Amino acid sequence: GAVVSQHPSRVICKSGTSVKIECRSLDFQATTMFWYRQFPKKSLMLMATSNEGSKATYEQGVEKDKFLINHASLTLSTLTVTSAHPEDSSFYICSASVHPGQGAVEQYFGPGTRLTVT
Amino acid sequence: AQKITQTQPGMFVQEKEAVTLDCTYDTSDPSYGLFWYKQPSSGEMIFLIYQGSYDQQNATEGRYSLNFQKARKSANLVISASQLGDSAMYFCAMNSGGSNYKLTFGKGTLLTVNP
Repeated sequence: GAVVSQHPSRVICKSGTSVKIECRSLDFQATTMFWYRQFPKKSLMLMATSNEGSKATYEQGVEKDKFLINHASLTLSTLTVTSAHPEDSSFYICSASVHPGQGAVEQYFGPGTRLTVT
Repeated sequence: AQKITQTQPGMFVQEKEAVTLDCTYDTSDPSYGLFWYKQPSSGEMIFLIYQGSYDQQNATEGRYSLNFQKARKSANLVISASQLGDSAMYFCAMNSGGSNYKLTFGKGTLLTVNP
């Protein structure tokens, strides 16, 4: 099956520092990767859509200069939280999409990264 | 715009019984996909089942089945023979070509399976 990994799984950083989260599709090439944020006991909120070799498309209200996304290859996308603050503490999840057939686009999720900013 | 509504914040079921988790959706796209994901306390999102809008038959995957009623715009998840390990958060989601295949999630239903 399609496997997506994320690294690190947990990270604690000090306020003002930057943190990079990696998302990799291990056994398939993903045309598109998505980054989500999830607050405790809440649903997933899409932050941005990332296509290989092009700039990410950010959802309304998401600061692109704060959440830098790089999609260097068909198997790797990175999210960098710049100048992190305690309010950036959250669960960040990536997903990678495949196109199994006409009209069917499935997404496979990474295990998530729990970011705590102190 | 797409919208997913899950009206049950929490559900309880007895082990070995069946349970239905409700999901209604709204979209103007004629072609769309409906998904159910399970999120245990560990946080990972586990894909359960997919239903395409043009699929004639309801999707089934092991103990999971999707009760797709297109006219009512509903896509309820049925879990048969519940197990203790089924206790988790369940999210209904949809995407479509009109939304560039971005997934829209419902608020989720927390399922608790009692022994």
